[in-house]
Amino acid sequence: DAGVTQSPTHLIKTRGQQVTLRCSPKSGHDTVSWYQQALGQGPQFIFQYYEEEERQRGNFPDRFSGHQYPNYSSELNVNALLLGDSALYLCASSLERGLGNQPQHFGDGTRLSIL
Amino acid sequence: AQKVTQAQTEISVVEKEDVTLDCVYETRDTTYYLFWYKQPPSGELVFLIRRNSFDEQNEISGRYSWNFQKSTSSFNFTITASQVVDSAVYFCALSPSNFGNEKLTFGTGTRLTIIP
Repeated sequence: DAGVTQSPTHLIKTRGQQVTLRCSPKSGHDTVSWYQQALGQGPQFIFQYYEEEERQRGNFPDRFSGHQYPNYSSELNVNALLLGDSALYLCASSLERGLGNQPQHFGDGTRLSIL
Repeated sequence: AQKVTQAQTEISVVEKEDVTLDCVYETRDTTYYLFWYKQPPSGELVFLIRRNSFDEQNEISGRYSWNFQKSTSSFNFTITASQVVDSAVYFCALSPSNFGNEKLTFGTGTRLTIIP
């Protein structure tokens, strides 16, 4: 039973560039959430995708965008990268059963470094 | 707005000692969920427990136990007879319970080090 997988593991970019991070949810899960975790901090919610639409969004600028595909996999795109975007980006998946708030299962994350 | 406070930044205990990690939360919601996650050095957040605000019963799972007190807005986590493998960063988190609103609000975490 494959868990949440994220790619790439590590990424180095320079300011102003654009980046795409990818996530495959745990088998059987249909909802994907993205979080940003700065060093020494707790994860901060970016947004959540369900049925290929952004269902909920945290306090992140429009430079952060995403997509969910019919197979439930998801991408996080960040444009015009800033030094402050350096962080661990975590993807989490869950199964929407109409009950809400099912435990979210996390991947190992993508470590993004901006030079 | 929701907020989670983990006042203990770092804790070190000798192996086999018991240790309690504190979590205090703030929310205006009448119903909500509370969670604990473990983050080992690999980075993956490992789900430990989810508790509905309606259920104030304490829970025990092996060496782990959780004490939920709604009156003090606390959801503390105790590890009994700690082991080196328990070393990690532990996060307490909170989310609303209404459908379609599953944003997790995390605390800043407590780094637990178990000394052999």
